[in-house]
Amino acid sequence: AQSVTQLDSQVPVFEEAPVELRCNYSSSVSVYLFWYVQYPNQGLQLLLKYLSGSTLVKGINGFEAEFNKSQTSFHLRKPSVHISDTAEYFCAVSGPASGTYKYIFGTGTRLKVLA
Amino acid sequence: NAGVTQTPKFRVLKTGQSMTLLCAQDMNHEYMYWYRQDPGMGLRLIHYSVGEGTTAKGEVPDGYNVSRLKKQNFLLGLESAAPSQTSVYFCASSYIVADYMSSYEQYFGPGTRLTVT
Repeated sequence: AQSVTQLDSQVPVFEEAPVELRCNYSSSVSVYLFWYVQYPNQGLQLLLKYLSGSTLVKGINGFEAEFNKSQTSFHLRKPSVHISDTAEYFCAVSGPASGTYKYIFGTGTRLKVLA
Repeated sequence: NAGVTQTPKFRVLKTGQSMTLLCAQDMNHEYMYWYRQDPGMGLRLIHYSVGEGTTAKGEVPDGYNVSRLKKQNFLLGLESAAPSQTSVYFCASSYIVADYMSSYEQYFGPGTRLTVT
């Protein structure tokens, strides 16, 4: 079975500082990995995804993530955050074990950017 | 192109009442999903559908029923609401790339906030 762990429930960071949101997954087979962002009182929006190929994936709004198979991680990074990045971020996994059309979501990390 | 829409946006129910949440998408997507979001638990899949007339159970299906009579609509029903069903409900959809493989990206609606007292 697949599962996703987001170790940090909340991450406060000052504006223009770098940030890393951690995501670890468990799966015995190949996986597809995603990061979604949820702004207050809105639905989820795809930030980036890893399906295959280059392990460094670039997404929208200056975010990027690196797939590390040996460490089973898919951490999200941004070199300089803005106030507008304040939101909740969800890591998700899909793949043959869960059905490629179904996601398993992590519990989310609330990013709060401080002025 | 409205994407994925959900009706209603907010609802308050008394224990034992019933209601139906409507999800509509205008993107001609094959797959549709219902999730619930609870604090500290992320999103959990309730039911999903891989095409018109077909539905399947997800991770937390108890207490809910669904129907997909038309491709563009996916209804979530609560026959007898319970306080444990207080949550934010999200609908999502995705399309087929080839050979019934999902596009891998799900498109989400804005959510319905349901409170059961």
